[in-house]
Amino acid sequence: DAGITQSPRYKITETGRQVTLMCHQTWSHSYMFWYRQDLGHGLRLIYYSAAADITDKGEVPDGYVVSRSKTENFPLTLESATRSQTSVYFCASTTGSYTEAFFGQGTRLTVV
Amino acid sequence: RKEVEQDPGPFNVPEGATVAFNCTYSNSASQSFFWYRQDCRKEPKLLMSVYSSGNEDGRFTAQLNRASQYISLLIRDSKLSDSATYLCVVNVAGGSYIPTFGRGTSLIVHP
Repeated sequence: DAGITQSPRYKITETGRQVTLMCHQTWSHSYMFWYRQDLGHGLRLIYYSAAADITDKGEVPDGYVVSRSKTENFPLTLESATRSQTSVYFCASTTGSYTEAFFGQGTRLTVV
Repeated sequence: RKEVEQDPGPFNVPEGATVAFNCTYSNSASQSFFWYRQDCRKEPKLLMSVYSSGNEDGRFTAQLNRASQYISLLIRDSKLSDSATYLCVVNVAGGSYIPTFGRGTSLIVHP
């Protein structure tokens, strides 16, 4: 199906483990984004990518790593998960410039 | 100061009421503006784009005032199904146009 999909939808992991959240879009949108959403903070940008092999930090990048070897995929890796990274993570994509963003369904991550 | 500011609410209104949300943004170079709706921590979905001339979609009207760096959303004849969080989104210019979100305004419509 066309669209933007995230996996897994739910994940529980232990402190210190590495975990990767996947994001895949079928529109060939240039821009992709990772946000986290926490109560009281709204959606905060972690990393974004303007094209394959081009990534840049957002507002809260510490503890996260991204890559974009293909236009359609933008995985987010937590190198060593901490409890403060418990959150809902949303991936989004746009064509860029004046267009709206389309979101995946989100990944609810709990770090115990 | 956050780049996009919204009153978090909650706004608690009866069915049929008219309710208005406001949003201010700090970057005068911002080029595009949107209102999104989010239900129960599901993914945000586009409600409407916001243009300088204003735009209307049924019961919803959005306005942009570039001089004051202010965006508004008006909902007329509120329905129970309008209960949600409304997110103001500004595409901040700076090489890449990055959607920047306000914290959202919670709306509760009661019978």
